[in-house]
Amino acid sequence: EPEVTQTPSHQVTQMGQEVILRCVPISNHLYFYWYRQILGQKVEFLVSFYNNEISEKSEIFDDQFSVERPDGSNFTLKIRSTKLEDSAMYFCASRLLAGATDTQYFGPGTRLTVL
Amino acid sequence: GNSVTQMEGPVTLSEEAFLTINCTYTATGYPSLFWYVQYPGEGLQLLLKATKADDKGSNKGFEATYRKETTSFHLEKGSVQVSDSAVYFCALWASGTYKYIFGTGTRLKVLA
Repeated sequence: EPEVTQTPSHQVTQMGQEVILRCVPISNHLYFYWYRQILGQKVEFLVSFYNNEISEKSEIFDDQFSVERPDGSNFTLKIRSTKLEDSAMYFCASRLLAGATDTQYFGPGTRLTVL
Repeated sequence: GNSVTQMEGPVTLSEEAFLTINCTYTATGYPSLFWYVQYPGEGLQLLLKATKADDKGSNKGFEATYRKETTSFHLEKGSVQVSDSAVYFCALWASGTYKYIFGTGTRLKVLA
């Protein structure tokens, strides 16, 4: 069974520092996503990425956030200057097709703790 | 706007007990509805889905029926096992959008 992988599993950083969360989507997938879940709250959509560009982003995804697919296999989420409220579990996901009925595969998540 | 509300956890049951996890939604149009499960240390995995009203999704003994009249998609299982212990997420995919809207997740703990 193919799987989405994420590294690291847990990242601790100081407020104001930059972090990069890494994901390796399933190799033939075309659509990539980041979601996050603040402890005790809903899983929230951050951004979708297709054909090397952002296709949709939420209002959470401000100028402090960026995504990149640097080498055709990794998909990264960068937070330029972390805030305390960025502490959350971040999930990467990928899918082959865009429609609702196609299966989306999620990674295990990276827990980001901002001190 | 589109939203999903699911019951607060944790839910603790004995093995072989009946499980219901409630999920209701608000959406424009005709969304598709999903249950995802997350086992410890793993990613969210699709458990079941239903794409139109009155559809029943089922997998691994779990079932959920898409009820448009009550805007609900409750997850049920007749006899839970210890291995069902996980976090369960209800989600919708609204018409004309390309992302999930998730609930908060419900942690299920099954005791032997």
